[in-house]
Amino acid sequence: EAQVTQNPRYLITVTGKKLTVTCSQNMNHEYMSWYRQDPGLGLRQIYYSMNVEVTDKGDVPEGYKVSRKEKRNFPLILESPSPNQTSLYFCASSLGQGLAEQYFGPGTRLTVT
Amino acid sequence: AQSVSQHNHHVILSEAASLELGCNYSYGGTVNLFWYVQYPGQHLQLLLKYFSGDPLVKGIKGFEAEFIKSKFSFNLRKPSVQWSDTAEYFCAVNEAGGFKTIFGAGTRLFVKA
Repeated sequence: EAQVTQNPRYLITVTGKKLTVTCSQNMNHEYMSWYRQDPGLGLRQIYYSMNVEVTDKGDVPEGYKVSRKEKRNFPLILESPSPNQTSLYFCASSLGQGLAEQYFGPGTRLTVT
Repeated sequence: AQSVSQHNHHVILSEAASLELGCNYSYGGTVNLFWYVQYPGQHLQLLLKYFSGDPLVKGIKGFEAEFIKSKFSFNLRKPSVQWSDTAEYFCAVNEAGGFKTIFGAGTRLFVKA
């Protein structure tokens, strides 16, 4: 089954404790992206990747890092999480840029205390 | 900078009522336009998209949207909603050939049975 998976689905952590949210897709998509969803703000793009070893900042990249060492994986790293990073995070993938439909993962609900 | 505005944050309708959700974007160039839907507890999924051609596009589950270039709008419509249409709806825009996607804040639709 074609899908985007994320782990963990739920995470409660403390300020400053490094964490990684994994994202994996099995559709051989070149393009992957991370979003955060906050009430009243919709989805805001954090980082995206056009292909292996090619990444770029979205609209809200501060406090996040990403890497794309393999085509299927695109982990999101929070080196020193803060409470304002409490949010619902979505990973997405697509065949390419522009008109390609994005396929979304199930989301990761992160709480930073 | 690009932006997407969704005029209604919450909409409550009775079954069989007609639906129109507004979406306006700000960008002067060629764009691709999308509507995504997030049913309770589910992933975001594509409802429909527009990239060129007939400005009236049809999507899944009886939804359609009309692109009006002069108004920078891409409103979503459905003639008769069902209880199962209860969900959050997101309008999204990206620059043709680009990688960044901008989402609107979303509209929560509740359909009363």
